[in-house]
Amino acid sequence: SQQGEEDPQALSIQEGENATMNCSYKTSINNLQWYRQNSGRGLVHLILIRSNEREKHSGRLRVTLDTSKKSSSLLITASRAADTASYFCATAVNNNDMRFGAGTRLTVKP
Amino acid sequence: DAGVIQSPRHEVTEMGQEVTLRCKPISGHNSLFWYRQTMMRGLELLIYFNNNVPIDDSGMPEDRFSAKMPNASFSTLKIQPSEPRDSAVYFCASSFVVGGNQPQHFGDGTRLSIL
Repeated sequence: SQQGEEDPQALSIQEGENATMNCSYKTSINNLQWYRQNSGRGLVHLILIRSNEREKHSGRLRVTLDTSKKSSSLLITASRAADTASYFCATAVNNNDMRFGAGTRLTVKP
Repeated sequence: DAGVIQSPRHEVTEMGQEVTLRCKPISGHNSLFWYRQTMMRGLELLIYFNNNVPIDDSGMPEDRFSAKMPNASFSTLKIQPSEPRDSAVYFCASSFVVGGNQPQHFGDGTRLSIL
């Protein structure tokens, strides 16, 4: 069953703008991960943030985690057309059990 | 490095037939996961293995589904008999887990259509 829920379900922006996606979850977690999925392909891991971390950066990606609110956000700065994809958060309850949300479909218009 | 390899990429078959999906994980990874993705239900974990041993199969929808991992480099997911509602994209993923979650590496999936 899904645990994370992404918001919004779909997001359309112009190239160069920033994109923010949110994820809420229900139970305590060990860590939270964000993945990207291009059409017709498998998921690709983007970034992992542990439950004792509040913010993490990787290139144009910035992830925050608020365990008190059980929420996370993914910010993509200076978006590009190639960022068009679906983005999923996944929460890890124990060593191997990860649950994925329904995803946010991001469209970046050139 | 070769990623997770799944075969076939596409499978179309009639209901009632046996379907076998195959997965070769990344060499050295000790955990393997089978997922199913549909528009209605999103990405669902079906079963996962650790060191070739099935750990949790609670996500397997019915007895018609079975999964095996005879060795560290190969796993199968079998559906027998198949039904139209089994139509979905099935993903295999692998990771190297030591003392905590690690990123999972996904194959490109098998798109299964049951007529």
